[in-house]
Amino acid sequence: SQELEQSPQSLIVQEGKNLTINCTSSKTLYGLYWYKQKYGEGLIFLMMLQKGGEEKSHEKITAKLDEKKQQSSLHITASQPSHAGIYLCGADFGNEKLTFGTGTRLTIIP
Amino acid sequence: DADVTQTPRNRITKTGKRIMLECSQTKGHDRMYWYRQDPGLGLRLIYYSFDVKDINKGEISDGYSVSRQAQAKFSLSLESAIPNQTALYFCATSDYWGTEAFFGQGTRLTVV
Repeated sequence: SQELEQSPQSLIVQEGKNLTINCTSSKTLYGLYWYKQKYGEGLIFLMMLQKGGEEKSHEKITAKLDEKKQQSSLHITASQPSHAGIYLCGADFGNEKLTFGTGTRLTIIP
Repeated sequence: DADVTQTPRNRITKTGKRIMLECSQTKGHDRMYWYRQDPGLGLRLIYYSFDVKDINKGEISDGYSVSRQAQAKFSLSLESAIPNQTALYFCATSDYWGTEAFFGQGTRLTVV
Protein backbone atom coordinates (compact mmCIF):
# COMPACT_ATOMS: atom_id res chain seq x y z
CA SER A 1 0.00 0.00 0.00
CA GLN A 2 1.09 3.54 -0.66
CA GLU A 3 2.25 5.49 2.42
CA LEU A 4 1.40 8.76 0.75
CA GLU A 5 -1.77 9.13 -1.31
CA GLN A 6 -2.53 12.08 -3.55
CA SER A 7 -5.91 13.03 -4.89
CA PRO A 8 -7.08 13.56 -7.46
CA GLN A 9 -4.74 11.71 -9.80
CA SER A 10 -5.55 14.17 -12.54
CA LEU A 11 -7.39 17.44 -12.70
CA ILE A 12 -8.62 19.54 -15.60
CA VAL A 13 -9.48 23.09 -14.63
CA GLN A 14 -10.61 26.09 -16.60
CA GLU A 15 -8.22 29.02 -16.53
CA GLY A 16 -9.09 31.42 -13.73
CA LYS A 17 -10.70 28.81 -11.50
CA ASN A 18 -9.45 27.70 -8.10
CA LEU A 19 -8.36 24.17 -7.33
CA THR A 20 -7.16 21.98 -4.47
CA ILE A 21 -4.87 18.96 -4.41
CA ASN A 22 -4.70 16.72 -1.36
CA CYS A 23 -1.92 14.62 0.08
CA THR A 24 -2.78 12.11 2.81
CA SER A 25 -0.31 10.13 4.86
CA SER A 26 -0.78 6.86 6.69
CA LYS A 27 1.77 8.00 9.27
CA THR A 28 2.71 11.18 11.10
CA LEU A 29 4.67 13.54 8.94
CA TYR A 30 7.91 15.09 10.17
CA GLY A 31 8.06 17.22 7.06
CA LEU A 32 5.86 17.63 4.00
CA TYR A 33 7.24 18.98 0.73
CA TRP A 34 5.44 20.14 -2.38
CA TYR A 35 7.13 19.97 -5.77
CA LYS A 36 6.02 20.80 -9.28
CA GLN A 37 7.21 18.98 -12.37
CA LYS A 38 6.84 20.13 -15.92
CA TYR A 39 6.13 17.13 -18.11
CA GLY A 40 9.28 15.04 -18.52
CA GLU A 41 11.47 17.50 -16.64
CA GLY A 42 12.99 17.85 -13.20
CA LEU A 43 11.20 18.81 -10.01
CA ILE A 44 10.90 22.36 -8.79
CA PHE A 45 10.57 22.94 -5.06
CA LEU A 46 7.46 24.89 -4.03
CA MET A 47 7.38 24.81 -0.26
CA MET A 48 7.94 22.78 2.87
CA LEU A 49 5.72 22.41 5.93
CA GLN A 50 6.78 21.00 9.27
CA LYS A 51 4.48 22.20 12.01
CA GLY A 52 0.90 21.11 12.59
CA GLY A 53 -1.46 23.81 11.34
CA GLU A 54 1.26 25.49 9.33
CA GLU A 55 0.32 27.36 6.17
CA LYS A 56 2.61 28.84 3.54
CA SER A 57 1.99 30.78 0.38
CA HIS A 58 4.00 31.47 -2.74
CA GLU A 59 2.38 33.73 -5.30
CA LYS A 60 -1.03 32.13 -5.93
CA ILE A 61 -0.21 28.78 -4.36
CA THR A 62 -1.02 28.06 -0.71
CA ALA A 63 -0.21 24.87 1.16
CA LYS A 64 -1.44 23.76 4.56
CA LEU A 65 -0.51 20.96 6.94
CA ASP A 66 -3.27 19.80 9.25
CA GLU A 67 -2.96 19.81 13.02
CA LYS A 68 -2.45 16.06 13.20
CA LYS A 69 0.31 16.29 10.58
CA GLN A 70 -1.14 13.58 8.39
CA GLN A 71 -2.71 15.56 5.61
CA SER A 72 -1.70 18.48 3.45
CA SER A 73 -3.58 20.44 0.83
CA LEU A 74 -2.27 22.60 -1.99
CA HIS A 75 -4.59 25.32 -3.19
CA ILE A 76 -4.16 27.36 -6.37
CA THR A 77 -6.16 30.53 -6.74
CA ALA A 78 -7.14 31.89 -10.16
CA SER A 79 -5.27 29.21 -12.09
CA GLN A 80 -3.12 30.12 -15.09
CA PRO A 81 -1.62 28.05 -17.94
CA SER A 82 1.77 28.30 -16.18
CA HIS A 83 0.35 26.24 -13.31
CA ALA A 84 -0.03 23.17 -15.53
CA GLY A 85 2.17 20.22 -14.69
CA ILE A 86 2.49 17.40 -12.19
CA TYR A 87 2.32 18.23 -8.51
CA LEU A 88 4.06 15.87 -6.14
CA CYS A 89 3.99 15.79 -2.38
CA GLY A 90 6.99 14.34 -0.59
CA ALA A 91 7.13 13.25 3.01
CA ASP A 92 9.75 12.80 5.64
CA PHE A 93 8.50 10.14 8.07
CA GLY A 94 11.36 10.71 10.46
CA ASN A 95 13.80 8.45 8.63
CA GLU A 96 15.37 11.38 6.77
CA LYS A 97 14.38 10.03 3.37
CA LEU A 98 11.98 11.73 1.04
CA THR A 99 9.04 9.50 0.07
CA PHE A 100 6.80 10.74 -2.73
CA GLY A 101 3.13 10.42 -3.51
CA THR A 102 1.86 9.30 -6.90
CA GLY A 103 1.41 12.83 -8.21
CA THR A 104 -1.47 14.91 -9.55
CA ARG A 105 -1.48 15.86 -13.20
CA LEU A 106 -2.96 19.34 -13.61
CA THR A 107 -4.22 20.59 -16.97
CA ILE A 108 -5.42 24.17 -17.43
CA ILE A 109 -7.83 24.79 -20.28
CA PRO A 110 -8.71 28.19 -21.75
CA ASP B 1 25.40 25.74 -14.60
CA ALA B 2 22.72 23.55 -13.11
CA ASP B 3 22.97 22.63 -9.41
CA VAL B 4 22.47 18.95 -10.26
CA THR B 5 23.60 17.57 -13.61
CA GLN B 6 22.63 14.17 -14.93
CA THR B 7 24.21 12.44 -17.89
CA PRO B 8 23.07 11.19 -20.27
CA ARG B 9 19.69 12.92 -20.63
CA ASN B 10 18.37 10.18 -22.88
CA ARG B 11 19.55 6.65 -23.49
CA ILE B 12 18.30 3.66 -25.39
CA THR B 13 19.97 0.38 -24.54
CA LYS B 14 19.46 -3.29 -25.22
CA THR B 15 18.35 -5.93 -22.76
CA GLY B 16 21.29 -7.43 -20.91
CA LYS B 17 23.61 -4.47 -21.40
CA ARG B 18 25.33 -2.71 -18.53
CA ILE B 19 24.62 0.97 -18.25
CA MET B 20 25.71 3.73 -15.91
CA LEU B 21 23.85 6.94 -15.18
CA GLU B 22 25.93 9.73 -13.72
CA CYS B 23 25.05 12.57 -11.39
CA SER B 24 27.09 15.48 -10.16
CA GLN B 25 26.11 18.37 -7.90
CA THR B 26 27.60 21.76 -7.18
CA LYS B 27 25.62 22.46 -3.99
CA GLY B 28 28.26 21.04 -1.67
CA HIS B 29 25.67 18.80 -0.04
CA ASP B 30 26.45 15.49 1.61
CA ARG B 31 23.18 13.73 0.80
CA MET B 32 22.42 12.32 -2.62
CA TYR B 33 19.55 10.19 -3.92
CA TRP B 34 18.48 8.22 -6.97
CA TYR B 35 14.78 7.92 -7.85
CA ARG B 36 12.88 6.41 -10.72
CA GLN B 37 9.58 7.72 -12.01
CA ASP B 38 6.97 5.58 -13.71
CA PRO B 39 3.56 6.78 -14.87
CA GLY B 40 1.03 6.56 -12.04
CA LEU B 41 3.64 5.57 -9.47
CA GLY B 42 5.24 8.85 -8.57
CA LEU B 43 8.93 8.79 -7.63
CA ARG B 44 10.36 5.73 -5.93
CA LEU B 45 13.67 5.73 -4.08
CA ILE B 46 16.33 3.38 -5.44
CA TYR B 47 19.41 4.24 -3.36
CA TYR B 48 20.54 7.07 -1.15
CA SER B 49 23.79 8.20 0.41
CA PHE B 50 24.22 10.51 3.40
CA ASP B 51 27.97 10.89 2.87
CA VAL B 52 30.78 9.40 0.82
CA LYS B 53 31.10 6.33 3.04
CA ASP B 54 27.38 5.76 3.49
CA ILE B 55 25.24 3.91 0.93
CA ASN B 56 21.70 2.72 1.64
CA LYS B 57 19.10 0.77 -0.29
CA GLY B 58 15.80 2.38 -1.01
CA GLU B 59 12.48 0.70 -1.70
CA ILE B 60 13.36 -0.66 -5.16
CA SER B 61 17.11 -1.38 -5.20
CA ASP B 62 16.99 -4.83 -6.86
CA GLY B 63 18.74 -4.79 -10.23
CA TYR B 64 20.61 -1.57 -9.43
CA SER B 65 23.90 -0.60 -7.82
CA VAL B 66 25.46 2.74 -6.96
CA SER B 67 28.84 4.30 -6.41
CA ARG B 68 29.60 7.47 -4.47
CA GLN B 69 32.88 8.51 -6.02
CA ALA B 70 33.09 11.84 -4.22
CA GLN B 71 30.87 14.20 -2.28
CA ALA B 72 29.70 15.68 -5.57
CA LYS B 73 29.29 12.49 -7.62
CA PHE B 74 26.80 9.65 -7.31
CA SER B 75 26.36 7.15 -10.15
CA LEU B 76 23.68 4.54 -10.70
CA SER B 77 24.37 1.31 -12.58
CA LEU B 78 22.13 -1.26 -14.15
CA GLU B 79 24.29 -4.37 -14.35
CA SER B 80 22.05 -6.16 -16.82
CA ALA B 81 19.28 -3.93 -18.08
CA ILE B 82 15.78 -5.32 -18.54
CA PRO B 83 12.75 -3.73 -20.23
CA ASN B 84 10.86 -3.02 -17.00
CA GLN B 85 13.70 -0.71 -16.01
CA THR B 86 12.51 1.66 -18.70
CA ALA B 87 11.72 4.82 -16.77
CA LEU B 88 12.68 8.40 -16.02
CA TYR B 89 15.52 8.49 -13.48
CA PHE B 90 16.20 11.42 -11.18
CA CYS B 91 19.16 12.29 -9.03
CA ALA B 92 18.70 14.65 -6.09
CA THR B 93 20.77 16.22 -3.36
CA SER B 94 19.95 17.80 -0.03
CA ASP B 95 21.87 19.42 2.77
CA TYR B 96 20.42 18.03 6.00
CA TRP B 97 17.11 16.90 7.40
CA GLY B 98 14.28 19.29 6.85
CA THR B 99 15.77 21.16 3.92
CA GLU B 100 14.87 21.36 0.27
CA ALA B 101 16.06 18.64 -2.10
CA PHE B 102 17.41 19.77 -5.47
CA PHE B 103 16.72 17.58 -8.47
CA GLY B 104 18.47 17.01 -11.75
CA GLN B 105 16.65 17.23 -15.07
CA GLY B 106 16.27 13.48 -15.30
CA THR B 107 17.57 10.70 -17.53
CA ARG B 108 15.06 9.00 -19.77
CA LEU B 109 16.15 5.39 -20.11
CA THR B 110 14.61 2.96 -22.57
CA VAL B 111 15.55 -0.71 -22.49
CA VAL B 112 14.60 -2.59 -25.65
